[in-house]
Amino acid sequence: QITLKESGPTLVKPTQTLTLTCTFSGFSLSTSGVGVAWIRQPPGKALEWLALIYRNDDKLYRPSLKSRLTITTDTSKSQVVLTMTNMDPVDTATYFCAHRPTTGSHPDYWGQGTLVTVSS
Amino acid sequence: EIVMTQSPATLSVSPGERATLSCRASQSVSSNLAWYQQKPGQAPRLLIYGASTRATGIPARFSGSGSGTEFTLTISRLQSEDFAVYYCQQYTEWWTFGQGTKVEIK
Repeated sequence: QITLKESGPTLVKPTQTLTLTCTFSGFSLSTSGVGVAWIRQPPGKALEWLALIYRNDDKLYRPSLKSRLTITTDTSKSQVVLTMTNMDPVDTATYFCAHRPTTGSHPDYWGQGTLVTVSS
Repeated sequence: EIVMTQSPATLSVSPGERATLSCRASQSVSSNLAWYQQKPGQAPRLLIYGASTRATGIPARFSGSGSGTEFTLTISRLQSEDFAVYYCQQYTEWWTFGQGTKVEIK
């Protein structure tokens, strides 16, 4: 059974760095093609893909946010960490992590999401 | 970036009726198209992938069609639990999502 769960701060100040952790079970990032992605959703708005990590250390980033994002994995803890620098109120959103089953495929299992508010 | 455009933004349907949702891609995504259902406060739930394949446990009243740039999600007989927001997503070139279609009770 595949599960994912996001954790991290609920409130960050503008210009601060956000660090979110996705703890997963039921699969291994060492398996060829399997990946974990981060996706966010501002309140009342659409979903926006941010980053993907697969094959333990291959990474893809949303081009418009690439300079601010870092995605890493701790395989011993079955965790994927996303950092986003220079946070702004427009980054207020629910952040989801999701499982990608194979290369070039869609996300199938999602975490419940965590709401991050950026405010001074 | 491949832009996904969904229509209509809101669809008012009576229970038991058919709902037809559209999704258009700004360039061909072949059949690399998924549909998700999202209810308030919940994560998206995968309904359809490969444009027309139902995900595990998804009722047969949900069907998807299309390829290239034009796609459709059809819910044949709406049940109370189907009122939600539906998103399409392409996975040909990283991932982009449509703006969503809200299916509401008429």
